Amino acid sequence: KQEVTQIPAALSVPEGENLVLNCSFTDSAIYNLQWFRQDPGKGLTSLLLIQSSQREQTSGRLNASLDKSSGRSTLYIAASQPGDSATYLCAVEYGNKLVFGAGTILRVKS
Amino acid sequence: GAGVSQTPSNKVTEKGKYVELRCDPISGHTALYWYRQSLGQGPEFLIYFQGTGAADDSGLPNDRFFAVRPEGSVSTLKIQRTERGDSAVYLCASSLTGTYQETQYFGPGTRLLVL
Repeated sequence: KQEVTQIPAALSVPEGENLVLNCSFTDSAIYNLQWFRQDPGKGLTSLLLIQSSQREQTSGRLNASLDKSSGRSTLYIAASQPGDSATYLCAVEYGNKLVFGAGTILRVKS
Repeated sequence: GAGVSQTPSNKVTEKGKYVELRCDPISGHTALYWYRQSLGQGPEFLIYFQGTGAADDSGLPNDRFFAVRPEGSVSTLKIQRTERGDSAVYLCASSLTGTYQETQYFGPGTRLLVL
């Protein structure tokens, strides 16, 4: 069964800290892996997409890595800000469908 | 519009009733997806359309759920004989061609509450 697990389930940090969110998946036959951000009452916003042949992607303060063989990905957020507070979802693409983890709820305190 | 839109944003219904949820994808996107997100969980795949046809409906939980996309743009998710367990946020997404490794753009969702 294709499962995606995210650790931790919730995280609270002071503003300015660097942090790492973890994602693991059971089936390594992936097409890509995406990290999304979800704000309350709003849809999902794609942050980074890593193709199966890539090892990492960067966008501003965000860096995502992918280790397909071990079934792991990390999202690194540098110099966190209160505006980063949201739920972060990891999603793995198998064929045309995305399989999501349950998310990490991030709170950045000012 | 610029993004994926969904209507209604909220829907409250009684157990046993029929509901329809609508999705307007980004203009020109041929691929459309429906997901369901229960409280505290990530979205779960329901169905994928390529044009007018359902290319993969393996995520539909049972025959009470049905979706259409008759003209290859707007899609409607239909739920018959609703049950309390159907309460969730229903998310729609679209992508340009549906090829692998393409970003899916999500709408804000419809929050369904079955009393």
